[in-house]
Amino acid sequence: DQQVKQNSPSLSVQEGRISILNCDYTNSMFDYFLWYKKYPAEGPTFLISISSIKDKNEDGRFTVFLNKSAKHLSLHIVPSQPGDSAVYFCAAISHGGSNYKLTFGKGTLLTVNP
Amino acid sequence: EAQVTQNPRYLITVTGKKLTVTCSQNMNHEYMSWYRQDPGLGLRQIYYSMNVEVTDKGDVPEGYKVSRKEKRNFPLILESPSPNQTSLYFCASSLIAPEIGELFFGEGSRLTVL
Repeated sequence: DQQVKQNSPSLSVQEGRISILNCDYTNSMFDYFLWYKKYPAEGPTFLISISSIKDKNEDGRFTVFLNKSAKHLSLHIVPSQPGDSAVYFCAAISHGGSNYKLTFGKGTLLTVNP
Repeated sequence: EAQVTQNPRYLITVTGKKLTVTCSQNMNHEYMSWYRQDPGLGLRQIYYSMNVEVTDKGDVPEGYKVSRKEKRNFPLILESPSPNQTSLYFCASSLIAPEIGELFFGEGSRLTVL
């Protein structure tokens, strides 16, 4: 059972426009969410995160929104740049006592066209 | 330079031949973990470790073992590899837990089991 879902395998946007990547989750025990970016032949790199006690976190061109009631989060990139073209993974953490388990979505390939 | 180093980067082996993928970080991080990336499945956590001598199963631990005898090293052991373990493997670390410190990934180890 997939607990973190990225239903769009790919997304294509024009340079300068907004990119919106979506992520849904089913496990109500998730209380921290992260986004990672991955270029081909490289390991993923951390992008931005959000705690479940917040509904928005912003870092430069990147903003993550969390809607707990809908179990939905989204990553907004404004303005989009060709260098943003990569696979984006949504991830969620559930805490079981003192342990931390990290669950990733399948990823969304973002292509930003010049 | 702060980094997570995995070895080997590429390996072709045969079914049943024990192998170890090493992972080392030079950032004094407490949290380390292993993931596999497969087409259409995204990143799935295999094992993680909160600190020395503390390890726990992720989502897909079957067929793998880990150990955490020292803070900097977190090897992944395949006692009897099988073709379904052909995958791209990533090791990652963070200062404490992923939500407090960003997760740093290695460059990946591509394993093929014939």
